[in-house]
Amino acid sequence: GDSVTQMEGPVTLSEEAFLTINCTYTATGYPSLFWYVQYPGEGLQLLLKATKADDKGSNKGFEATYRKETTSFHLEKGSVQVSDSAVYFCALSDTSGTYKYIFGTGTRLKVLA
Amino acid sequence: SQTIHQWPATLVQPVGSPLSLECTVEGTSNPNLYWYRQAAGRGLQLLFYSVGIGQISSEVPQNLSASRPQDRQFILSSKKLLLSDSGFYLCAWREPDRGLSEAFFGQGTRLTVV
Repeated sequence: GDSVTQMEGPVTLSEEAFLTINCTYTATGYPSLFWYVQYPGEGLQLLLKATKADDKGSNKGFEATYRKETTSFHLEKGSVQVSDSAVYFCALSDTSGTYKYIFGTGTRLKVLA
Repeated sequence: SQTIHQWPATLVQPVGSPLSLECTVEGTSNPNLYWYRQAAGRGLQLLFYSVGIGQISSEVPQNLSASRPQDRQFILSSKKLLLSDSGFYLCAWREPDRGLSEAFFGQGTRLTVV
């Protein structure tokens, strides 16, 4: 069945460091892919998305490219800030008719000043 | 604009008691609806989803069930709670647009079974 695998956390970085959070997926067909962020004490909110192969989603300095050949959707940011400390979730949406929507386990990011 | 309401916010229930969590969406029609459980280290576990009234798909065999009696109402139930049912439950909705749209989440229910 469909699944999403995220790198284990927590990830601890210094401010202005480069961030990569890996996400790979297994799916039948051509899913849509998403990244969500959950700041401390808050709900989940969409960070970015890509709906077809080679699409690049971007928002707030974060980017992720839908790579069909490697079934990946890695999240990157060139220079993290303390305010980026949060839990990041990769998600997959089936587009073939079930509309199942599944999430990875989440990766906690802590950025130190 | 669309809104999602989920209640109650917190709930403490004894083992063996029944459960009913309700979620309603306003401002949209025929949404896709989802129930998740969020646990530390396990992310968001999809429990049930629905693409229409009376249509429920279950992802994880367990002590819970879901129903969709009206277009914008989604209910999570149990006849007899177990200790392992404790957790944080989230309801979410999406537009019925072939799986392209983001999900919008309710505020969640913290369930503690004692």
